[in-house]
Amino acid sequence: QVQLVQSGAEVKKPGASVKVSCKASGYTFTSYGISWVRQAPGQGLEWMGWISAYNGNTNYAQKLQGRVTMTTDTSTSTAYMELRSLRSDDTAVYYCARELPLQLGGFDYWGQGTLVTVSS
Amino acid sequence: EIVMTQSPATLSVSPGERATLSCRASQSVSSNLAWYQQKPGQAPRLLIYGASTRATGIPARFSGSGSGTEFTLTISSLQSEDFAVYYCQQYNNWPLPKFTFGPGTKVDIK
Repeated sequence: QVQLVQSGAEVKKPGASVKVSCKASGYTFTSYGISWVRQAPGQGLEWMGWISAYNGNTNYAQKLQGRVTMTTDTSTSTAYMELRSLRSDDTAVYYCARELPLQLGGFDYWGQGTLVTVSS
Repeated sequence: EIVMTQSPATLSVSPGERATLSCRASQSVSSNLAWYQQKPGQAPRLLIYGASTRATGIPARFSGSGSGTEFTLTISSLQSEDFAVYYCQQYNNWPLPKFTFGPGTKVDIK
């Protein structure tokens, strides 16, 4: 069965960086895109960016350009999201999500979420 | 940049009743729209994609309609497990995939 398993919770100081991993199983990793979505406490969903697991092409949300980097390691079927220069308003649950096949849109499988807390 | 809005912000419904949720895009997104359900402490769950196609395993009481800028999610007869927050999301695959979520509608018990 398809699973996306994310790394554990992180606590970081303002200005630091965080790197969250998302290990995929149960499907051919390189056949699907992966997006990262975050959710601040009590708030809605915010799309952060997308990466093709096939060729590594990326597309980041404009507000995060320059602070976020998404990568994949096809040898371990793992996607990574690194966010730099952390601020308190980056405190959120971060999700990875698999895009539907054939770019039909929508995310059919999600990781369990990783809580990143930014606090001095 | 496409902006998504949802109404109402909160919808109070009795079990067994019909719920109608609206989503509007600031410009046409064709049928490139998905709906998600999210319960507290859980990841979102895909309900509808392509504006009207139910995702795998989604009950028939959930239906989506609309195209262009106006979309609707209808839950025909609310069950206890349907009380949750619902988000719409538009997607654009050219030149690279890009997605935008609406702010959500909370469906609670009347």
